[in-house]
Amino acid sequence: GAVVSQHPSRVICKSGTSVKIECRSLDFQATTMFWYRQFPKQSLMLMATSNEGSKATYEQGVEKDKFLINHASLTLSTLTVTSAHPEDSSFYICSARGWGRDASTDTQYFGPGTRLTVL
Amino acid sequence: DQQVKQNSPSLSVQEGRISILNCDYTNSMFDYFLWYKKYPAEGPTFLISISSIKDKNEDGRFTVFLNKSAKHLSLHIVPSQPGDSAVYFCAAYDRDDKIIFGKGTRLHILP
Repeated sequence: GAVVSQHPSRVICKSGTSVKIECRSLDFQATTMFWYRQFPKQSLMLMATSNEGSKATYEQGVEKDKFLINHASLTLSTLTVTSAHPEDSSFYICSARGWGRDASTDTQYFGPGTRLTVL
Repeated sequence: DQQVKQNSPSLSVQEGRISILNCDYTNSMFDYFLWYKKYPAEGPTFLISISSIKDKNEDGRFTVFLNKSAKHLSLHIVPSQPGDSAVYFCAAYDRDDKIIFGKGTRLHILP
């Protein structure tokens, strides 16, 4: 199947600092990338959708100035959590949609996630 | 308002037996459904999908059944193996092509 990588896998930062998370589709070009957030024992919550070269579309309730998304190419998207606070501590998962090597249709593939802890 | 519902938060099944995970949806416009498997602290892994033009799709030990009239789908895993212990998410594409996830069902495979 297709591979989506995220970096870093874990990050601990102080309150007020900014953190950047990278998401890459390694063996396919992603038409669209998504960012999700997962709270403990809950489903994945879609934060925003981005297409290469255009502005991200944010879901209701997600602050676009706080969660900056840059979709620089068909294989790279970044999420920057600006001025992070303890309530931003969560598990952030990116996803890329495209045609994986063995896929018969375009499918959404998920990265391994990034655990953010804000002290 | 949940459009994709997984009413069983957890399920325990004996190793070697069949695991059946259920999912209901409310939007009759959904036309493509997926199942994802997720281990703790990892991203979801795509398992199997089904288009609304089919009522069954099989891939190895995994079979997904779709009952459009009942707006219900199920994932069957047979035989269940210890490595199948995970959280399983049912999902559907909405009309904007976004995936809508259920809350997940935690499957425990008992030795």
